[in-house]
Amino acid sequence: DVKVTQSSRYLVKRTGEKVFLECVQDMDHENMFWYRQDPGLGLRLIYFSYDVKMKEKGDIPEGYSVSREKKERFSLILESASTNQTSMYLCASSPRTGNAWDEQFFGPGTRLTVL
Amino acid sequence: DQQVKQNSPSLSVQEGRISILNCDYTNSMFDYFLWYKKYPAEGPTFLISISSIKDKNEDGRFTVFLNKSAKHLSLHIVPSQPGDSAVYFCAATGTSVGNQFYFGTGTSLTVIP
Repeated sequence: DVKVTQSSRYLVKRTGEKVFLECVQDMDHENMFWYRQDPGLGLRLIYFSYDVKMKEKGDIPEGYSVSREKKERFSLILESASTNQTSMYLCASSPRTGNAWDEQFFGPGTRLTVL
Repeated sequence: DQQVKQNSPSLSVQEGRISILNCDYTNSMFDYFLWYKKYPAEGPTFLISISSIKDKNEDGRFTVFLNKSAKHLSLHIVPSQPGDSAVYFCAATGTSVGNQFYFGTGTSLTVIP
């Protein structure tokens, strides 16, 4: 079974803090993604990566950065946390199969609260 | 700009009856459509998909219908079971959008025993 793990299930931080969210997948997937889930807005893509050291902006990258130094690990960084970044953060990975679409496998999520 | 929309935030259905979850999209370039299911405290898991060249795909109790002209898809669950109670997200993707997934806002389904 594909396993995507996220470093924390719940996190509480203060405004202005630098926050690191870690995601690790164990299936050698090329693609990794960070989403945030908010009520009434669904899942929105923040950043994604198709390979080590590569990153692409999603729909809402402002206030975030990412790092992919190793294939299995994709980190989301909030440079200076703000209250509007309080959300559920979901990491996903997918293989590069050459099919028309690649199934994304999700981690359990990190509920981040910024005070 | 929400390209994939689920206009019903919640739905309650009696056990054994049919659940119908709806999804609308705006981008005619989407090639594939998927449904994901999410339980509380878990990440979404893939449920069923459909290609834009088809109008129906069935997998056990789950059937997805696609109406391209109306830019509308629906997920039918028959018969509904209490274990189906979850949030359902539809998603759309395609080569013209770089295979990026666009998710809807989700519909919370409650199946009443």
